[in-house]
Amino acid sequence: KNEVEQSPQNLTAQEGEFITINCSYSVGISALHWLQQHPGGGIVSLFMLSSGKKKHGRLIATINIQEKHSSLHITASHPRDSAVYICAVERGGGADGLTFGKGTHLIIQP
Amino acid sequence: EAGVTQFPSHSVIEKGQTVTLRCDPISGHDNLYWYRRVMGKEIKFLLHFVKESKQDESGMPNNRFLAERTGGTYSTLKVQPAELEDSGVYFCASSQGPGRYTFGSGTRLTVV
Repeated sequence: KNEVEQSPQNLTAQEGEFITINCSYSVGISALHWLQQHPGGGIVSLFMLSSGKKKHGRLIATINIQEKHSSLHITASHPRDSAVYICAVERGGGADGLTFGKGTHLIIQP
Repeated sequence: EAGVTQFPSHSVIEKGQTVTLRCDPISGHDNLYWYRRVMGKEIKFLLHFVKESKQDESGMPNNRFLAERTGGTYSTLKVQPAELEDSGVYFCASSQGPGRYTFGSGTRLTVV
C-alpha cells in the first residue's frame, strides 16, 4: 500500500461541474502539496498546506491533519482544467524529498 | 525569472548505452532534487543536493546512476549503462527554502 493514496484515479466530468479529488496519507507529514501536470507539460505547484484551507481562483485545497486527509476542489470546472493532479507530502522526521501519490487524471468535457 | 530547465526533453537510447540528463535550477536555489516516474507508478524521489553537496541520495536505484552538481549550479544525472527498466520521466525540482518547489518539464527517457 502506498504511503500516499489518491482517489479517484481517473475522473471525467462535464464542464461546469464541481470536482473533488481526495488524498489520504499514512505517514507523519510537515506539509502536503497539490501539483498539476498538463499533458506533455511540466509539473506546477498549486498549493502547499500544513493546516486548514487555501483558495486560489476556482481551486480550493483543504487538509485535516487528524484524519490524514486532504481534498482538492475545482469549482465551475473548465476543459482547460484537464490535467493530472498529484498529491505529495513532505514527511516529518528529517526524511528528504516529496512522497507522491499516483495522481488523478481529470478530463473535463465541454 | 527563468524556471527550472531540463534537457533533453526526450531521449531514446539502446540498452547498454550511456545517457546524461541535465537540470538547470532557478538561479539562487540551493536545493535541487531529482525525481523519476516509471510508467504506471508514482513519482519517486532520487536524490537531493544542497548546493554542490548530496544531502540525501537514498532514492538512487543502483550504482548505474551518478548525479553531480559541480559548483552548485546545474546538475547532471548520468545513467551508465542504461537498462530497460530505467525508462521513465525524470523530473528535476529546485527550491530556495523548504516547501516551495519549482519543477522542470521533465526528460522522457526510453531505453530500447
